[in-house]
Amino acid sequence: KAGVTQTPRYLIKTRGQQVTLSCSPISGHRSVSWYQQTPGQGLQFLFEYFSETQRNKGNFPGRFSGRQFSNSRSEMNVSTLELGDSALYLCASSLAAGRMDGELFFGEGSRLTVL
Amino acid sequence: GESVGLHLPTLSVQEGDNSIINCAYSNSASDYFIWYKQESGKGPQFIIDIRSNMDKRQGQRVTVLLNKTVKHLSLQIAATQPGDSAVYFCAETLNDMRFGAGTRLTVKP
Repeated sequence: KAGVTQTPRYLIKTRGQQVTLSCSPISGHRSVSWYQQTPGQGLQFLFEYFSETQRNKGNFPGRFSGRQFSNSRSEMNVSTLELGDSALYLCASSLAAGRMDGELFFGEGSRLTVL
Repeated sequence: GESVGLHLPTLSVQEGDNSIINCAYSNSASDYFIWYKQESGKGPQFIIDIRSNMDKRQGQRVTVLLNKTVKHLSLQIAATQPGDSAVYFCAETLNDMRFGAGTRLTVKP
């Protein structure tokens, strides 16, 4: 069965621009969560969606947003990009909902560079 | 705020030896813990999990130990192999999943 697919894998943007990242979960998984990974801060939780509803949100500014579609695919958007937004953005899917009580399956990430 | 942390950022072991990776957590309400392995250029991969009503759980060549008294989690890898070289993260779950900083394990042949 296909794993979690994230697109694009790599992208370069400039400060002030916005970016949209896409995540297709494993078939049958209805929960999708997003993480930002940087060398300085490690893996940080952004938000989680289940059945098109945001269940949890991490401590990130409002420039970071997301959504989930009826087919469980998810997108995250970052507006007004800053240099510090350069990171690997990871998406994970799972069968479980709510408290993320269950195994997460991660994609390979979208590496964003902001110049 | 409360966070999950790791004691050592790097660990180097000889092939065939056992590895122990440690993790300290500070949220005593956390009730579910997971260890992940991340190889270069890849996303984290689930290794093993443990719930707070357990002290020990074993998988294939891996064992996770949970000491709730001192809020400590460890991952033991038996007969470490070169393919085990990666960054290992612990994570705790309450309302969301919070990860430790990671320990880079290097296996020397």
